[in-house]
Amino acid sequence: DAGVIQSPRHEVTEMGQEVTLRCKPISGHDYLFWYRQTMMRGLELLIYFNNNVPIDDSGMPEDRFSAKMPNASFSTLKIQPSEPRDSAVYFCASSLSTSLMGYSYNEQFFGPGTRLTVL
Amino acid sequence: GEDVEQSLFLSVREGDSSVINCTYTDSSSTYLYWYKQEPGAGLQLLTYIFSNMDMKQDQRLTVLLNKKDKHLSLRIADTQTGDSAIYFCADFYSSASKIIFGSGTRLSIRP
Repeated sequence: DAGVIQSPRHEVTEMGQEVTLRCKPISGHDYLFWYRQTMMRGLELLIYFNNNVPIDDSGMPEDRFSAKMPNASFSTLKIQPSEPRDSAVYFCASSLSTSLMGYSYNEQFFGPGTRLTVL
Repeated sequence: GEDVEQSLFLSVREGDSSVINCTYTDSSSTYLYWYKQEPGAGLQLLTYIFSNMDMKQDQRLTVLLNKKDKHLSLRIADTQTGDSAIYFCADFYSSASKIIFGSGTRLSIRP
């Protein structure tokens, strides 16, 4: 398997523009996560999906951020309008819910990330 | 909410052991993880420990879990330059099926 695929790898845009980040999870995985990483705030969970349904979006910073998962093999994270403080590395991760020693076990596989710079 | 905390930086001399510490608050943890992030890459699972274990060893890595104190540590023996990375402690919050990550500890190696 190719692993989690994210595109683009780098995005430079101007303040006010719309930005769309894309993610293809590992085939067969039923969970998909979007994270944001900055030096100041570390790794933040933005939103996650189970079987294409958003479960928890409490980490989405504000209404400018939206995420969709139209099918099991594709998800987008959109920022509209973008602001300089949105500059960060955005990671997508996927996992398969499974059981190990009788307990739920969850290993997340991360994509390489999209480095977003908003000027 | 549940929280995972770890120190931000650690510097060790090449060949010495590195010990990265972590504390967590979830009283119903089943699995705890250590992830590694190399420069310019995503996080990758390094090792995990089940909550009924005190210790797990895997080659140069030793994970210690003190469930009473909710303390987890990762020891890397004979630290090499290739071990330079950010190490994330993480707790599987099973009731929400999500992993809570710490802020990451940046490990740097001195010659």
